[in-house]
Amino acid sequence: DGGITQSPKYLFRKEGQNVTLSCEQNLNHDAMYWYRQDPGQGLRLIYYSQIVNDFQKGDIAEGYSVSREKKESFPLTVTSAQKNPTAFYLCASRGVSSGEQFFGPGTRLTVL
Amino acid sequence: GDSVTQMEGPVTLSEEAFLTINCTYTATGYPSLFWYVQYPGEGLQLLLKATKADDKGSNKGFEATYRKETTSFHLEKGSVQVSDSAVYFCALSDLGRGAQKLVFGQGTRLTINP
Repeated sequence: DGGITQSPKYLFRKEGQNVTLSCEQNLNHDAMYWYRQDPGQGLRLIYYSQIVNDFQKGDIAEGYSVSREKKESFPLTVTSAQKNPTAFYLCASRGVSSGEQFFGPGTRLTVL
Repeated sequence: GDSVTQMEGPVTLSEEAFLTINCTYTATGYPSLFWYVQYPGEGLQLLLKATKADDKGSNKGFEATYRKETTSFHLEKGSVQVSDSAVYFCALSDLGRGAQKLVFGQGTRLTINP
């Protein structure tokens, strides 16, 4: 089945640690996105990539980093510089001709 | 910049009631409009979409019509079920711009009581 997978589902981090969230898609989509969701709020764009080896900052990129070495993969690193990282993180992808984005199941990150 | 405003929740209805969730948008171009649904602990699923004025998107008994004159895309369902309880997000994307980023409303939590 084609789709987007995110791992892990739950992640716990100590303050001062970097953590990397995985996002993989087998939909052959060129564009991929990372969003952050906080309780009772909409989604905010962290980073996006329209093509391999290229990515751009979204609205809340500070404290985050990404890479796009393969078309299928778009990992997100939450660095120690992110002051309030506890949130639900969603990855999405989009095909060339479609405006709709397809979402993964999400990773819930908690800082202890 | 572009923005989406949804009616505030939470919304609580009884089973078989009529549902409307209001959504209005501000955009400089000609966006496509979407409704996504999120069940507890899960990612977002596309519920329906419309790509041009007067288009009606529909799926699973839900409908929304792209109204350019009122810049609205209200979600409706004639008879809701308990299984419709979820958070609903209205969103827009301007296909004329390269990145085609989605701009989301804040979400409306819907609870259906039996």
